[in-house]
Amino acid sequence: GAGVSQTPSNKVTEKGKYVELRCDPISGHTALYWYRQSLGQGPEFLIYFQGTGAADDSGLPNDRFFAVRPEGSVSTLKIQRTERGDSAVYLCASSLDVMNTEAFFGQGTRLTVV
Amino acid sequence: AQSVTQPDIHITVSEGASLELRCNYSYGATPYLFWYVQSPGQGLQLLLKYFSGDTLVQGIKGFEAEFKRSQSSFNLRKPSVHWSDAAEYFCAAEYDGAGSYQLTFGKGTKLSVIP
Repeated sequence: GAGVSQTPSNKVTEKGKYVELRCDPISGHTALYWYRQSLGQGPEFLIYFQGTGAADDSGLPNDRFFAVRPEGSVSTLKIQRTERGDSAVYLCASSLDVMNTEAFFGQGTRLTVV
Repeated sequence: AQSVTQPDIHITVSEGASLELRCNYSYGATPYLFWYVQSPGQGLQLLLKYFSGDTLVQGIKGFEAEFKRSQSSFNLRKPSVHWSDAAEYFCAAEYDGAGSYQLTFGKGTKLSVIP
């Protein structure tokens, strides 16, 4: 596709469940970023990948959060034992490479933990 | 700690009026600076960016921003607002140090436009 695609667009899950959020970056973009946007806040950095490797995961809030990008394209953000405080919009972005800092954002996945 | 501040949570302007959205950053060195716009149901769209050089930056949709080092500011301006500009605007900074390429965002300013 032409832009960054995120699926699902909405996800409702019960507290304690496991969820996976998917991001399809723009073709050819080697850098991929995950952000989390809580209600009334700006996006907060979670993790970024350069190729297949997580170059900076300093924004992941705790060890319940994990992300992978096994083939250097699609990425999955995984959240274990979800908590109500995890409810937010999860945004994915990609850029041509990590030095080209014009990142293109997807529309996000709205996660609601009930 | 590195931070970006947008002092105005919500601004209302009349269509055709001028607009200025404020942004201040707190960094040890001059970061790269960005303005993004987020419309309901849409992803963040880059309006403009400042890396170095000319401190007045032109962007898309008729927006411009001016970097002022002495004030640690990067305010967004538009001379005449259109109803379609109603959205939320985010200022962001990236500090190119220690191999970190993460964006730090402000909390956003919601713009309402009165016809």
